[in-house]
Formats: sequence, structure tokens, C-alpha cells
Amino acid sequence: DAKTTQPTSMDCAEGRAANLPCNHSTISGNEYVYWYRQIHSQGPQYIIHGLKNNETNEMASLIITEDRKSSTLILPHATLRDTAVYYCIAITSGTYKYIFGTGTRLKVLA
Amino acid sequence: NAGVTQTPKFRVLKTGQSMTLLCAQDMNHEYMYWYRQDPGMGLRLIHYSVGEGTTAKGEVPDGYNVSRLKKQNFLLGLESAAPSQTSVYFCASSLYPPWDNYGYTFGSGTRLTVV
Repeated sequence: DAKTTQPTSMDCAEGRAANLPCNHSTISGNEYVYWYRQIHSQGPQYIIHGLKNNETNEMASLIITEDRKSSTLILPHATLRDTAVYYCIAITSGTYKYIFGTGTRLKVLA
Repeated sequence: NAGVTQTPKFRVLKTGQSMTLLCAQDMNHEYMYWYRQDPGMGLRLIHYSVGEGTTAKGEVPDGYNVSRLKKQNFLLGLESAAPSQTSVYFCASSLYPPWDNYGYTFGSGTRLTVV
């Protein structure tokens, strides 16, 4: 599985868009990019995933570069409840052993 | 629907004691997983199951055993607890495999301390 690299922490003003980057320069063609978040000490929550195309759902948008070496999770209007640790994971088709790294700690400021 | 329920939520064990953590899901999910999370670290996969009666080793299986006798339940056992097993344990389930689904559903965790 490709290793992903994320900034350790980020701040975002409430109501503004939060853009969380993820580098996965060694990603292969059959690896999906998944995003989860973990609020306080709760269980992680699925946000979104994609392979090549940009994706959008009710929670967020996922922008994947054309070369697939990086992606950005966008929370369009961050709220205080979006304060959490965000994990970017590359998952290979056929494998169960993928890595949740240390993620990005996003703090939304009032 | 309750989703994924983990019991107990907290437990303190003495070194050498044994215990079983129970994970129950009511979503008819085929796949179930046990993770551990240590302070300042991400989640690491202990064991997983791809269906009733199946189990497989994850990234950090040593010191743990699992069973999936019923589709809705996935049990994690510690035969002889060690302080290194102090952690927060999360169970998760999914309808489809990890690379072909809309994410896992996680439980709220079991905080285990081994003294």
C-alpha cells in the first residue's frame, strides 16, 4: 500500500473552507484514496473515497490530482464540530492490511 | 439501529488475566475488524473476518485470538494480558471489502488498561 503523508495539524476559521492535503506519491493504479475522521476519542467516521475522479458527497469533496500523487479533502463550510483528526489512507484492491497513519489534527476556530 | 456495539467500554486488568471483548453489529455486515489505537498513533489492525466462521491475522495479531461463530458477533480475546496491551480497542464492520465500500462503521471503543 502507498504511504500517505499529511501535515500534523491545521487551523481553520469557522465558516471557511478547510482544505486538508494528502501526499501519496507512490500510489498505484488500483489503490483507492479514503478519508476518515476521528472526533475526540470516538471511533473513526468514514467521509469519502475516490480512485481517479473528483468526488463529492454531503460531507465533503475530494480532489485527486491528475497524476494521483496527491489529494485534497475539502470541508466547504467548516464548523466547530469538524474539529477532529483526519486520516488519509491508500487502500489496495485485495488487501485488508492498510495503514491509518497519525493524520492531520484540524482545529476549527470560532 | 444500534450499528456497532462494543462491550465493555472500560476495563482494568491485572497482568496475566484473561478477558474477551465483544463486538456486535446489527447491519448484516459480512466483514468485521478489530483495531487498537495507542496514544498519539493511528489505528492498527489486529484481526479481521471476511464472513461467519472465518478469521485472519492483521498487522499486530500476537497476544490476541478472535472468533466469529455468528455473523453478527466478533470476539477478541486476550489470554494472558500484558501491560503492552493497554490501548483503546475499536471494532468495525463493513458490508463489502475495504476497497469496495462506503467506509467502515466503527464502534465507540473499549478502553483497556493492564496493570
